[in-house]
Amino acid sequence: NAGVTQTPKFRILKIGQSMTLQCTQDMNHNYMYWYRQDPGMGLKLIYYSVGAGITDKGEVPNGYNVSRSTTEDFPLRLELAAPSQTSVYFCASSTKAGVRSNQPQHFGDGTRLSIL
Amino acid sequence: DQQVKQNSPSLSVQEGRISILNCDYTNSMFDYFLWYKKYPAEGPTFLISISSIKDKNEDGRFTVFLNKSAKHLSLHIVPSQPGDSAVYFCAASLRYNNNDMRFGAGTRLTVKP
Repeated sequence: NAGVTQTPKFRILKIGQSMTLQCTQDMNHNYMYWYRQDPGMGLKLIYYSVGAGITDKGEVPNGYNVSRSTTEDFPLRLELAAPSQTSVYFCASSTKAGVRSNQPQHFGDGTRLSIL
Repeated sequence: DQQVKQNSPSLSVQEGRISILNCDYTNSMFDYFLWYKKYPAEGPTFLISISSIKDKNEDGRFTVFLNKSAKHLSLHIVPSQPGDSAVYFCAASLRYNNNDMRFGAGTRLTVKP
């Protein structure tokens, strides 16, 4: 059981480039989330989705786009990479009970992204 | 605006002793609190949670205490073990949005053998 899988693990981008961070889960979870963690800071919610075709903004959505065409996949798109987007990105999934279930969120191992 | 604060970046304790990790919050609309543990190069893993209708929740060696009037919660680990060495994040969920959590910056716990 793989859980939440994120690819790539590391990436260096140039300013202005675009890329898609991939996230897939095999637990048939309805809810999926994208967070970023800057050095010395807590995780901040970028976007989340409560099911295929439904996405919502979190605390820091600017500069990102998401889509949810299937239950399993929740890719995060950076269109015009900026140095401020240098961060570690975590994808997570949960059941419909969300953060208040007995297993609130399962996280992937993260993608470390540097923009130079 | 840091709504969830963990003011101690690091904590070092001896194996077998108690570890106490603290967390303060400012938003009175938080009504559910969680602790996550994170090892290097891995994602956070859920540890324990507490609803605002309770003041204590216990799971094995881990106990979370909530003081609503002080907007403060703490995680107690007894006895501490070297495998507990990790970064611990406090998180809070808003009353009106089950999916929006705010995280503290984390406390790095080192348990010395």
